[in-house]
Amino acid sequence: KNEVEQSPQNLTAQEGEFITINCSYSVGISALHWLQQHPGGGIVSLFMLSSGKKKHGRLIATINIQEKHSSLHITASHPRDSAVYICAVRVTGNQFYFGTGTSLTVIP
Amino acid sequence: GAVVSQHPSWVICKSGTSVKIECRSLDFQATTMFWYRQFPKQSLMLMATSNEGSKATYEQGVEKDKFLINHASLTLSTLTVTSAHPEDSSFYICSAGARGQGNSPLHFGNGTRLTVT
Repeated sequence: KNEVEQSPQNLTAQEGEFITINCSYSVGISALHWLQQHPGGGIVSLFMLSSGKKKHGRLIATINIQEKHSSLHITASHPRDSAVYICAVRVTGNQFYFGTGTSLTVIP
Repeated sequence: GAVVSQHPSWVICKSGTSVKIECRSLDFQATTMFWYRQFPKQSLMLMATSNEGSKATYEQGVEKDKFLINHASLTLSTLTVTSAHPEDSSFYICSAGARGQGNSPLHFGNGTRLTVT
């Protein structure tokens, strides 16, 4: 069993749709990261969360520590949002577990 | 924002040769650097964690004699794939954590695509 589970694995949406990607984890964490990986391979850190909710532009990330669950929401999705979104949890100072990623395609 | 530069972005080498990949933090001091490997359509797999001035900590199953990691300064870490074989072909990516931030965001390099022929 993976320590971090993401769903869905693949997601196709029409431009403008509201998108939710889910992440569940089974270990105690100090922080949860949402990462975005574009087709070329480069990775951008979108959010680092330890509680509550964060918003950056059209992206919103929430975390429920008690339920060990986080969601990444994208409002008014756009084709440039097409990427793989990865959930990662930090369990000690330098130990991380990564989800397998959600591949998002936004169609114009 | 914090920038991590990884070089080269792609490399093709012959079986048996060694390849060095560099990861530099351009505008911050990276006390910790992480090296990952990623196979097609799979997520990141952490290979090792290196702290400046000390030996790297390797994840289970990663051969430390094959994947040599050096983190000699606060801005540079290198990964050397020694005696490369075709099965070492993969996407390698680094990330860095900033000094003084115990739970810092992850800043990633753009990755290196290694092909061993």
